[in-house]
Amino acid sequence: DTAVSQTPKYLVTQMGNDKSIKCEQNLGHDTMYWYKQDSKKFLKIMFSYNNKELIINETVPNRFSPKSPDKAHLNLHINSLELGDSAVYFCASSQQATSTDTQYFGPGTRLTVL
Amino acid sequence: AQSVTQLGSHVSVSEGALVLLRCNYSSSVPPYLFWYVQYPNQGLQLLLKYTSAATLVKGINGFEAEFKKSETSFHLTKPSAHMSDAAEYFCAVSGRGNAGKSTFGDGTTLTVKP
Repeated sequence: DTAVSQTPKYLVTQMGNDKSIKCEQNLGHDTMYWYKQDSKKFLKIMFSYNNKELIINETVPNRFSPKSPDKAHLNLHINSLELGDSAVYFCASSQQATSTDTQYFGPGTRLTVL
Repeated sequence: AQSVTQLGSHVSVSEGALVLLRCNYSSSVPPYLFWYVQYPNQGLQLLLKYTSAATLVKGINGFEAEFKKSETSFHLTKPSAHMSDAAEYFCAVSGRGNAGKSTFGDGTTLTVKP
């Protein structure tokens, strides 16, 4: 069983389009995260939800909107896609929103904006 | 505020040789430190973490790291490299009260030569 899964794995789209990435975890964790990894492999946190409540909201364009329908799911919707949005987006989860908790990462979604 | 510096974006070792990946941190609160490994086209996987217990931390796959407060370092070592260790390695820091927010280093690519 996959602990943290993301769909789709690859996403190729045109500038200006709107797209969504979905994430699901079956670990029973309370906290979920979205990270962006750029072409230089630099990894930066974007958002975090704990029990469906937004607790971390980094400096991210408001074209990015996360949504957590329940504790097991965290989706990322991106409006008006730009070339600079091309990256690998990772979802992760942890038992709780504490600094010592291990984060479990999904396999990533490679987004390419043409 | 917290940050991580990984010295050496690329490290190359021969199979069977010592692996040493360097990480220095900066944190305004007592830090919690992590090492993650990322294999090609996969998400990150935790190798080990320091959470203010023992300063010498043992992880999976024969890796270990030592927390040295005086040097603000958390270097990752493995006595004997294996071909399967070739991957990207990330050091990360978080701190008490950060709600699970980790700051990642830029990563170190480990190459293992036969």
